[in-house]
Amino acid sequence: KAGVTQTPRYLIKTRGQQVTLSCSPISGHRSVSWYQQTPGQGLQFLFEYFSETQRNKGNFPGRFSGRQFSNSRSEMNVSTLELGDSALYLCASSVAGVRNSPLHFGNGTRLTVT
Amino acid sequence: KQEVTQIPAALSVPEGENLVLNCSFTDSAIYNLQWFRQDPGKGLTSLLLIQSSQREQTSGRLNASLDKSSGRSTLYIAASQPGDSATYLCAVNYAGGTSYGKLTFGQGTILTVHP
Repeated sequence: KAGVTQTPRYLIKTRGQQVTLSCSPISGHRSVSWYQQTPGQGLQFLFEYFSETQRNKGNFPGRFSGRQFSNSRSEMNVSTLELGDSALYLCASSVAGVRNSPLHFGNGTRLTVT
Repeated sequence: KQEVTQIPAALSVPEGENLVLNCSFTDSAIYNLQWFRQDPGKGLTSLLLIQSSQREQTSGRLNASLDKSSGRSTLYIAASQPGDSATYLCAVNYAGGTSYGKLTFGQGTILTVHP
C-alpha cells in the first residue's frame, strides 16, 4: 500500500511569491492534516480537512490556506511568502471519523524562501 | 494552554543499553498519545499509539506507558541499536470536538546510539 505522497520534495521561492504544495493520502484515508516544522517552533498544526471541508485550523495567518478534493488529495497554499515561512511542511492522513486512528506522515516538502 | 514537553532534549548511549524517553502534557483530557520517530530529512514514522483508556502499548523492543493523572508518558527502548538513532517525538491528541488529526507535539528527543 502506497504511503502519503507529497510533492514537490524541495522548493525555493522568493519573498512575496506564492506557493502550492500537494499531498496524496493513503488510499482509503479521507482525513488530511498539514503541519509546519521549523527548528525554533517545532511541529505546529496548520489545518485538517475531511470531505473537502476544513475541520480545524491552527494559529497561522490567513496567508496559509488549503483545500481538499473529492478524491481526498489536498493542497496547501502560502501567499506573499516571508523568510519565516521557510520550513518543512508535512502532510498526514488518517482514517476519518475514527478517533484513535494513527496519523501517517509523508516525507514533507522543504520550502526555502530567499 | 495545552502543551507537551519532552525530556531529555538529547541522549547518547552505547549500543545494547535500555533507555527511557519522557513526555509530559498539561491537560489530562486527551483522546490519545502517539510516539513518532523522525530520521533526518524525512517525515514521521508512527511507533505507538496509546488510547486514553489504556495504560501501555508494546511493539517489539518498544514499550510506551501512559499515566493521564500525572500527565506523563514514557517510551522504553530495550537493547538499543545504532539503527535506533533518530529524533523521537511525543504528540498528544487533546480532547474536544472531532478533529482527530490535530496533534500537539513536544520538541523531541534526539537519540544517538553508538556502536
